[in-house]
Amino acid sequence: AQKVTQAQTEISVVEKEDVTLDCVYETRDTTYYLFWYKQPPSGELVFLIRRNSFDEQNEISGRYSWNFQKSTSSFNFTITASQVMDSAVYFCALSEVTGGGNKLTFGTGTQLKVEL
Amino acid sequence: DGGITQSPKYLFRKEGQNVTLSCEQNLNHDAMYWYRQDPGQGLRLIYYSQIVNDFQKGDIAEGYSVSREKKESFPLTVTSAQKNPTAFYLCASSPNRRGNTGELFFGEGSRLTVL
Repeated sequence: AQKVTQAQTEISVVEKEDVTLDCVYETRDTTYYLFWYKQPPSGELVFLIRRNSFDEQNEISGRYSWNFQKSTSSFNFTITASQVMDSAVYFCALSEVTGGGNKLTFGTGTQLKVEL
Repeated sequence: DGGITQSPKYLFRKEGQNVTLSCEQNLNHDAMYWYRQDPGQGLRLIYYSQIVNDFQKGDIAEGYSVSREKKESFPLTVTSAQKNPTAFYLCASSPNRRGNTGELFFGEGSRLTVL
């Protein structure tokens, strides 16, 4: 069975601090996708990044960066110079790709609070 | 604009009543999903459908039912058999095999409260 663990329930930082959200996953599949989603107070999940299991290259997008390490089954997410608008719940997810659709297994989420 | 529309946004129901949550998408996606979100438990899969007139149970299907009569629509009925229905419900969709990139596209959710 697939499993995603986000051990950090809640993180509070002061604006402009860097913050890393941890994600550890378990799967028996050799082909899979990993995702990060952001859920602002409005409720809708917003897609941030997708990484497939064959691509361990780290990625940077503006203030966001992701560190994927298969050796430790981790897919951590770092926000540099955090802003108040980054406050949200962040979910890490693992995809089982079956047929024409995808079943995502989500972690329990990390509530990020960025204060002035 | 293309997207997923869930309605109603907020819903209250009395114990013992069935309630149906609507989910419509105009993204031409083949697959659709229903997730339930509870505080501290993340999102859990209720039902999913990969094609019209076909659907499968997810991890927590008991007390729920779905139908998929049209590609655009995937309504979820929360029945009186669901022991603890108060939750936030999220509908999602994903492209067909040709356009599949693995991600799900989500609606804004429906918050159900049982009084």
